Amino acid sequence: DAGVTQSPTHLIKTRGQQVTLRCSPISGHKSVSWYQQVLGQGPQFIFQYYEKEERGRGNFPDRFSARQFPNYSSELNVNALLLGDSALYLCASSLGGSGRGRQFFGPGTRLTVL
Amino acid sequence: KQEVTQIPAALSVPEGENLVLNCSFTDSAIYNLQWFRQDPGKGLTSLLLIQSSQREQTSGRLNASLDKSSGRSTLYIAASQPGDSATYLCAVYPPLAAGNKLTFGGGTRVLVKP
Repeated sequence: DAGVTQSPTHLIKTRGQQVTLRCSPISGHKSVSWYQQVLGQGPQFIFQYYEKEERGRGNFPDRFSARQFPNYSSELNVNALLLGDSALYLCASSLGGSGRGRQFFGPGTRLTVL
Repeated sequence: KQEVTQIPAALSVPEGENLVLNCSFTDSAIYNLQWFRQDPGKGLTSLLLIQSSQREQTSGRLNASLDKSSGRSTLYIAASQPGDSATYLCAVYPPLAAGNKLTFGGGTRVLVKP
C-alpha cells in the first residue's frame, strides 16, 4: 500500500508570492494534519482536517489556509510568503480524527522563500 | 498548554555504546507517545508508539518506556551503529476527543562515531 504522498518535493518562491502544497493520505484514512518544521526545531502543528472539516488550528497567521477534498486529499495554501515561512512542511494522515489513531507522515515539501 | 522537551539537543557516542534519549512533557493527560527518526532533509520515520496504558514498547534494538505520572519517556538504542546517526524526535498525542494535534520536542541529534 502507498504511504502518505506529498507534492512537490521542493519549491522555491520569492517573498510576497503564494504557494500551494498537496497531500494524499493513506487509502482509507480520513484525517489529514499539516505541520511546519523550521530547520533545527521540532514540527509545529498548523491544521487538522477530518471528513472535510477543520478540526484544529495551530498558532499560525491567517495567511495559512487549508482544505480537504471529498477523496480526503488536502491542500495547504500560504499567501504573502515571508522569509520565515521557509521550512519543511509535513503532512500526516490517520484513520480517525479524535487522536485515537496513529499518525503516518509523508516525506514533506521543502519550501524555500527568497 | 503541553510542552515537550528533549535534552540533550545533541549527543555523540562511539559505535557499540548504548544510547539513552530523554523526552519530558508537562501535561500527563496524553493518549499516546511516539518516537520518530529523521534523517537530514527527510521526513519522519516512526520508530515506536506507546499507548497511554502501556509502560514500554520494544522493537529490535529499540526500547521505549513511558512514565505518565512523572511526564517522561526514554528511548534506548542498544549497541549503537553509525547508521543510527540521525535526529530523534518524540511527540505526544492529546487526550481523546481533543483532535490530532501532536506536540513535538525539539529533537536530539545523534552522531555515532565508527
